[in-house]
Amino acid sequence: GQQVMQIPQYQHVQEGEDFTTYCNSSTTLSNIQWYKQRPGGHPVFLIQLVKSGEVKKQKRLTFQFGEAKKNSSLHITATQTTDVGTYFCAGSANALNFGKGTSLLVTP
Amino acid sequence: NAGVTQTPKFQVLKTGQSMTLQCAQDMNHNSMYWYRQDPGMGLRLIYYSASEGTTDKGEVPNGYNVSRLNKREFSLRLESAAPSQTSVYFCAGRTGTLYGYTFGSGTRLTVV
Repeated sequence: GQQVMQIPQYQHVQEGEDFTTYCNSSTTLSNIQWYKQRPGGHPVFLIQLVKSGEVKKQKRLTFQFGEAKKNSSLHITATQTTDVGTYFCAGSANALNFGKGTSLLVTP
Repeated sequence: NAGVTQTPKFQVLKTGQSMTLQCAQDMNHNSMYWYRQDPGMGLRLIYYSASEGTTDKGEVPNGYNVSRLNKREFSLRLESAAPSQTSVYFCAGRTGTLYGYTFGSGTRLTVV
């Protein structure tokens, strides 16, 4: 079945540094979604990418979908303490297959 | 408040006990899902319902059953709880494949 791998598993940065998490699929994805989960909270939908090579921005967050639609990345510029949480990518079939997530810790 | 509502928020069961986790949504979602989340394992799909009246197994369905009672409600039942079912359970819904999931706040279940 479809496998979605995410790296790194953990990332610890100083506030103001940039952060990137990568998502790779064993199969071509019809679309990919990104979610953020704060500690003790539930996943919250961030964005969906559908087109090959698509790039979308949300303030300091930049999302990319690979040309082959098998990989994606989330880049955060100048991290803030409010960015702390786990970021999940999820590939879409009948239901979303989630990666294991990247946990981001930001120290002031 | 609009959204996906899960009950209960916390539950402790003894091995062998049964219980039903409830999920209700008022966002007109066609599809509903049950995931479990364990440390280091991410979110794993237990069962889903693509539309009212249908249910399908996900990645980890063993030990669980579901019921899509109507469009609003999708319940998850543990017939005979085991310690391996200690987890955080999330219900989610979405309107269609072009939309993101809306998750409930979760049920933290401990089986002793």
